[in-house]
Amino acid sequence: AQSVTQLDSHVSVSEGTPVLLRCNYSSSYSPSLFWYVQHPNKGLQLLLKYTSAATLVKGINGFEAEFKKSETSFHLTKPSAHMSDAAEYFCVVSDDYGQNFVFGPGTRLSVLP
Amino acid sequence: DGGITQSPKYLFRKEGQNVTLSCEQNLNHDAMYWYRQDPGQGLRLIYYSQIVNDFQKGDIAEGYSVSREKKESFPLTVTSAQKNPTAFYLCASSSTGVSYNEQFFGPGTRLTVL
Repeated sequence: AQSVTQLDSHVSVSEGTPVLLRCNYSSSYSPSLFWYVQHPNKGLQLLLKYTSAATLVKGINGFEAEFKKSETSFHLTKPSAHMSDAAEYFCVVSDDYGQNFVFGPGTRLSVLP
Repeated sequence: DGGITQSPKYLFRKEGQNVTLSCEQNLNHDAMYWYRQDPGQGLRLIYYSQIVNDFQKGDIAEGYSVSREKKESFPLTVTSAQKNPTAFYLCASSSTGVSYNEQFFGPGTRLTVL
């Protein structure tokens, strides 16, 4: 069985400071891992995905995530937060053939001026 | 443009009524999904379908029904048996049999029971 833990339900940062959103996963398979962002009353948008080609994955809007198999982690980072980054972020794991998507509970990111 | 559409954006239901939420995709995806999201909560899977004319219950299927008569369409009916249907409903689709394929999400439908 697969599972995802997002260690922080809420993260607050100041504009221009780094962002770190933590995600740990459990999977019996070689996992596919994703980060999605959701702005209020909107659908989810894919930020990035791990495809095994590289452990450091770059996504949209300056976000990146590093896959660490030994730590079963896939933390999301951004060097400098922008006000528009304030949103809910979801870490997702799926099996090899994308037939079983498991969502983490989400982390709400607040960006203070 | 390829994508997923959901309609309506807002829906109001009186107690005892059935309502149907529409989800259409033109991405040629085999798999489609319905999720429910409550305030401050993550996503919970209601139903999913991996092929036309076949679908499976997710974690919270009670009080909901679906059909998959066409590849492009996966409507969700919220029945009167669903005791607390007020929530944000998200539809998604994905390809199947391909490694590392992601889900694509629609913009959502907010259902409110009056």
